[in-house]
Amino acid sequence: EVQLLESGGGLVQPGGSLRVSCAASGFTFSNYAMAWVRQPPGKGLEWVSTISGNGDETYYTDSVRGRFTISRDNSKNTLYLQMNSLGADDTAVYFCAQQYYYDSGKYYISWGQGTLVTVSS
Amino acid sequence: IQVTQSPSSVSASVGDRVTITCRASQGISTWLGWYQQKPGKPPKLLIYAASSLQSGVPSRFSGSGSGTDFTLTINSLQPEDFATYYCQQANHFPRTFGQGTKVEIK
Repeated sequence: EVQLLESGGGLVQPGGSLRVSCAASGFTFSNYAMAWVRQPPGKGLEWVSTISGNGDETYYTDSVRGRFTISRDNSKNTLYLQMNSLGADDTAVYFCAQQYYYDSGKYYISWGQGTLVTVSS
Repeated sequence: IQVTQSPSSVSASVGDRVTITCRASQGISTWLGWYQQKPGKPPKLLIYAASSLQSGVPSRFSGSGSGTDFTLTINSLQPEDFATYYCQQANHFPRTFGQGTKVEIK
């Protein structure tokens, strides 16, 4: 059974930094691209970042590029998101998701329960 | 690529048929997925490639469309189907989700 378990969320001051993690199990982690998707309280879903299976390729939404860094440690089956220069707009539940590739489409087949990041003074 | 869902909410009764539409700002072939999300839970993939049913998803859910216009249909709505549904374009960066459609009990 696929399991994704996020951790590391919490309260951080504006301008601060935080690293969230996602521990994966139940599948061959290095075979799958992984993504972070966030959801501000009471709002919709927003894709944040994707990393390829071997970590060589990374992609970001414009609002976080240059501030956030996605990475992975395939030896530990763990995905990371390092978040710097955080602002109130970054307040959200951060989900990690396993990407499923089908006919050139990329879908999120498994999700963690999410970790809440709150940016506030 | 923007994806626009409609309606933003719909009230329906158990047994009803519900249709949700998603329109992409440019053609995306069939690179579209549909997700269901219940309060306090992560999203769940229902449909991929516009019309392929994800394993384990009841057959009352179906998807159709290609290019710019897509539809998610729920036949014979069940109590467990009251949730928020999102479409997602699946081939272009940035990946984009629709704004969501909340299916509420009438």
